[in-house]
Amino acid sequence: QQQVKQSPQSLIVQKGGISIINCAYENTAFDYFPWYQQFPGKGPALLIAIRPDVSEKKEGRFTISFNKSAKQFSLHIMDSQPGDSATYFCAVKTGANNLFFGTGTRLTVIP
Amino acid sequence: KAGVTQTPRYLIKTRGQQVTLSCSPISGHRSVSWYQQTPGQGLQFLFEYFSETQRNKGNFPGRFSGRQFSNSRSEMNVSTLELGDSALYLCASSPGPSSTDTQYFGPGTRLTVL
Repeated sequence: QQQVKQSPQSLIVQKGGISIINCAYENTAFDYFPWYQQFPGKGPALLIAIRPDVSEKKEGRFTISFNKSAKQFSLHIMDSQPGDSATYFCAVKTGANNLFFGTGTRLTVIP
Repeated sequence: KAGVTQTPRYLIKTRGQQVTLSCSPISGHRSVSWYQQTPGQGLQFLFEYFSETQRNKGNFPGRFSGRQFSNSRSEMNVSTLELGDSALYLCASSPGPSSTDTQYFGPGTRLTVL
């Protein structure tokens, strides 16, 4: 049973463009919503995270938008760069220290 | 600070064998979680340890087990290996067991079962 649904599966963006990845969940008990970035041969690395009492969080070129009523959250990457090409995972946590991951989005940024 | 380290990085085993993977958390981190990553099932939670006690367990058979030592280092063991156990096994450490504690991942151990 997938706790969080992630889309799209893959994304191709021109350099300088905006990359948008979406996630949806059902369980309203989730209380922590991180995004991870993974390069081939590496473990996932935390990009940015948000709690449900905040609607938006920005760190550099990365922004999480959180819609509690719609049970959706998204990652926006502004001014996308070729170095951003990686697989991105959304995740959720509920009261316990275990992450439920989305299925991942493979982002390719074309120079 | 050194990151999460996992050993070995690569392993090749045959069906029926058992394997032990090791994880050293970031200094000062007391919670260690294990995840399995496969192309078909994605990233799935195996179990979490804090203060040498298993706090949470994912939906995996009993062939998968783990433990944590007093220095917070952790090991996971898979017995009677099956072909489907081929995966990247990731260890993550966090300062404590809170749901809002950030988990920092190691590079993983790539297990191939022949």
